[in-house]
Amino acid sequence: DIQMTQSPSSMSVSLGDTVTITCRASQDVGIYVNWFQQKPGKSPRRMIYRVMNLADGVPSRFSGSRSGSDYSLTISSLESEDVADYHCLQYDEYPFTFGSGTKVEIK
Amino acid sequence: EVQLVESGGGLVQPGRSLKLSCAISGFTFSDYNMAWVRQAPTKGLEWVASISYGGTNTHYGDSVKGRFTISRDNAKSTLYLQVDSLRSEDTATYYCARGATVPFDHWGQGVMVTVSS
Repeated sequence: DIQMTQSPSSMSVSLGDTVTITCRASQDVGIYVNWFQQKPGKSPRRMIYRVMNLADGVPSRFSGSRSGSDYSLTISSLESEDVADYHCLQYDEYPFTFGSGTKVEIK
Repeated sequence: EVQLVESGGGLVQPGRSLKLSCAISGFTFSDYNMAWVRQAPTKGLEWVASISYGGTNTHYGDSVKGRFTISRDNAKSTLYLQVDSLRSEDTATYYCARGATVPFDHWGQGVMVTVSS
């Protein structure tokens, strides 16, 4: 099975900071990586699909990128509404696998 | 408006069974692959199973293979998850989600399954 090693597990940042979360894939997953945001008590929301494509309604301060086997979600100029858990997902092959999640909090 | 509404969860003893349902509205159900994803309390997301739009192809996570069965009734626009031989580690919120080719653009609100004696 493909492992998605996500880091950091949590981060405490200031409003306006740039946040970068990374998932490292244990084998090639190509463009088949999505990112999800999950606020407390809520269902996940897809933010980024196929590495870098912004889902409908997602603010432009969110972006996705890839460098080799590292896939990153970046939030530029963090806002209070961005406080949430973030999860990556690879769907290049079954079984689909999620990263372990990153909790983003305000310092 | 796309809606996915899960039901059928609850408290169940180890070894017993449940059937979860996900009622769909707002899109043509038969055009989409579907999936179940779960989340144990305070844990991350875990993909459980996926089914093709016609229902002929299914895939399962290693931890549920042989115990869970995903199915669908396109005439009723409903997705199902039969969960058998339940274990304490199956305690989780179960979400249905749309898509597999480019997963998962819409999610249900989730249904809680608690396995305990």
